[in-house]
This record gives sequence, C-alpha cells and structure tokens, in this order.
Amino acid sequence: AIQLTQSPSSLSASVGDRVTITCRASQGISSALAWYQQKPGKPPKLLIYDASSLESGVPSRFSGSGSGTDFALTISSLQPEDFATYYCQQFDTFSNTFGGGTKVEIK
Amino acid sequence: EVQLVESGGGLIQPGGSLRLSCAASGFTVSSNYMSWVRQAPGGGLEWVSHIYSGGATYYADSVRDRFTISRDNSQNTLYLQMNSLRADDTAVYYCATNTYDDYGLDYWGQGTLVTVSS
Repeated sequence: AIQLTQSPSSLSASVGDRVTITCRASQGISSALAWYQQKPGKPPKLLIYDASSLESGVPSRFSGSGSGTDFALTISSLQPEDFATYYCQQFDTFSNTFGGGTKVEIK
Repeated sequence: EVQLVESGGGLIQPGGSLRLSCAASGFTVSSNYMSWVRQAPGGGLEWVSHIYSGGATYYADSVRDRFTISRDNSQNTLYLQMNSLRADDTAVYYCATNTYDDYGLDYWGQGTLVTVSS
C-alpha cells in the first residue's frame, strides 16, 4: 500500500503566520490527494481536493500544491479558527491511506 | 441535502462481531464511492475500506479477511460487518463519500464508537 509521510507532526505558530505542511507519497499518485482539517470531537472537513483545488466554502488563505510524490498545504495567514489537526489522504485505486497528521497549535 | 448517519457501535468483547450501518440521504449510495475511516482514541485517521460504484471493494491490511463492506440499494445504506474484533479495533468509525468525481471526501457522518474490551 502507498504510504504518506506528513511533516511536521506538530507545529506552534502565531496568528498571521504563514504555515506550510508537507506530505510525501511512497510512490507517484499524480494529483490524487486531498487535505482535511479536523477539530476535536468532529469529523474531518475537506479543504483541498485533487491536490490543488479549493473546496467550496473554504477560505482562500488555504492552498494546495504538488503532484507525483510531493505535496504541500499552505495557510497564508493563520487565523484563530485554523488551530486544528490537518491530514493528507491519497486515492490510489487499491488503498486510500492517510498521512499521520499535523497538529497546529498556538504559540 | 446530503446526510450520512452511522449506527451500530457499542461495547463488544474481543472475538465478537458487530455490523455498522451508514444511512444516506440526498444521494444514491450505489452511484457513489463510499468509504469507512476510523480513528482510535487520541490517534490519527485510518482508512479502513472503500467500495466503488461498480461494486469493487478494498480493505486495509489490518482488517482484511475480518471486515466486509457492503451496501443495500433498497435501503440506501452502507454497511461494515466486523468479525473477530480485537482491542486495537477500538475507534470511532466514520463513513464518508465524495459527491463529485474527484479525489476528496466531501461528506462525512458524525461517527459511531466501537469499543472492544472484556
């Protein structure tokens, strides 16, 4: 199965900071990758689909990039409501594994 | 409006069986990719299984040969039959779908908790 390595596993940042989270696939997956935000006690929320397309209703400060094996989620200016855990997920035909998650905390 | 409502979780002894249900509304289960994802207490998200509209099914290594994903078109419901349950199957189980032909799960249920313990 394709493995996703997400980094960092956690980070501390301030409101207004630019934050980048990376996700590396163990083999090429073209653009078959999504990014989610999850807050405690809630299901994940889709932010980015097809590696770089912004889901409807998601603020434009979120963006996704990459293809093949290397991907990134960037938050251009961190807002108080963005403190949460973020996950990448790949959509290979046979397995749809998640990255280990990145917890974004307040500095 | 798309809605997914899971049920069937609870406390079960090791070695036991449970069937989870995911009742869908606002779309047709048989026409969509559907997935089960779980999250152990304090842990990350783990893909468990998915079923394509054409009926092909796939499983994570950790559950293959113990879990079975299926759907009932007449009830518009997705199922996860879980057999030979182990303590490490303890988790909140979510069903999810993508309502567009793209790579991203845009609708999720609220989850149902499965606790495997004696």
